[in-house]
Amino acid sequence: DAEITQSPRHKITETGRQVTLACHQTWNHNNMFWYRQDLGHGLRLIHYSYGVQDTNKGEVSDGYSVSRSNTEDLPLTLESAASSQTSVYFCASSDPTLGEQYFGPGTRLTVT
Amino acid sequence: EDKVVQSPLSLVVHEGDTVTLNCSYEVTNFRSLLWYKQEKKAPTFLFMLTSSGIEKKSGRLSSILDKKELFSILNITATQTGDSAIYLCAVLKTSNTGKLIFGQGTTLQVKP
Repeated sequence: DAEITQSPRHKITETGRQVTLACHQTWNHNNMFWYRQDLGHGLRLIHYSYGVQDTNKGEVSDGYSVSRSNTEDLPLTLESAASSQTSVYFCASSDPTLGEQYFGPGTRLTVT
Repeated sequence: EDKVVQSPLSLVVHEGDTVTLNCSYEVTNFRSLLWYKQEKKAPTFLFMLTSSGIEKKSGRLSSILDKKELFSILNITATQTGDSAIYLCAVLKTSNTGKLIFGQGTTLQVKP
């Protein structure tokens, strides 16, 4: 069955370190998205991609970057982790003709 | 600015009650409205509504869209403790390929 996976599921890191969160989907979807979810803010879009070599900034992109070298993967990098980036991160993918997004299980990131 | 607003933000009911969750939107180039259920993990897709007045149903859950008044409702009848979750409403626009605009979510707690 097609799926979307994220790793690691939990991560604790220190302020200032670079961190990369992995997202891998086997739906063969062109669209991929990264969100963060915090209490009181719902799901906020960080970055998204419509296909290989395409990346776009979302509403809360500062301090984050993504790259899309193939259809299956969209890793999210925190260049220099800050305590404000402690959150739960979700990756999602979708077929642009259908619209509904399918979410990965999430990564809980704690920056100390 | 595009906006999706859910109400109430939280709700506590007892098993067997019927609940109605609301989602209103102000979005240009509307394509569809989606409902997701989020338990202690990733959001899972429930419904996509594109046409006004056509009810979508899945077991005890049903939803309908009113494109004139710009809102949707999600009904849950005969609630069970397993319905306890955050319910997310999101709007898909025609003008961009797959980005969802999420509401803040409604947290439903069903007590035995």
